[in-house]
Amino acid sequence: DAKTTQPTSMDCAEGRAANLPCNHSTISGNEYVYWYRQIHSQGPQYIIHGLKNNETNEMASLIITEDRKSSTLILPHATLRDTAVYYCIVRFGSSNTGKLIFGQGTTLQVKP
Amino acid sequence: DAGVIQSPRHEVTEMGQEVTLRCKPISGHDYLFWYRQTMMRGLELLIYFNNNVPIDDSGMPEDRFSAKMPNASFSTLKIQPSEPRDSAVYFCASSEWGRGITEAFFGQGTRLTVV
Repeated sequence: DAKTTQPTSMDCAEGRAANLPCNHSTISGNEYVYWYRQIHSQGPQYIIHGLKNNETNEMASLIITEDRKSSTLILPHATLRDTAVYYCIVRFGSSNTGKLIFGQGTTLQVKP
Repeated sequence: DAGVIQSPRHEVTEMGQEVTLRCKPISGHDYLFWYRQTMMRGLELLIYFNNNVPIDDSGMPEDRFSAKMPNASFSTLKIQPSEPRDSAVYFCASSEWGRGITEAFFGQGTRLTVV
């Protein structure tokens, strides 16, 4: 599976958009980009995933560059409850290799 | 569904004792994962099962660790004998990749302290 690079930490003002970048320059054509987050002491929580098109759900938007070497997770209106560690993961989409490998992630601190 | 259920939530044991962690995946899910999380090493995948069969156990740190999945609704992770360096939060997760759904659901974890 391709490796990802994320900033160690980021701050965001409450109510503003939080933009979390992820670099995955070695991604292959059939690998998906996943985002999870982990709020203190809880199990990781799925946010969103995509292959090459931009995706949006009730939690966030995922913007993937045309060359697929990087992506950005956008939380449109960050709240204090969005303070968490955010993980960007690249993995195959098929059921044959189902494992999720977590890196160190980005610690997002949402400030009042 | 109540989600992935892990027990116990907290476990304190003495070095050398056997520890058994339990996990009940979400009904109908065909993948089950065991992770360990520490400050130093982050979230590490220990082992995962597909349809109750272990697929990849390359993350299991040593022979003291073993995992089983006797049926689709139950899995255990056993440490025998336990050591202080095994102290960590252990997470179980399940998913339904077999139907193309790729979200993994995590339990609340078991915080293990070996003294």
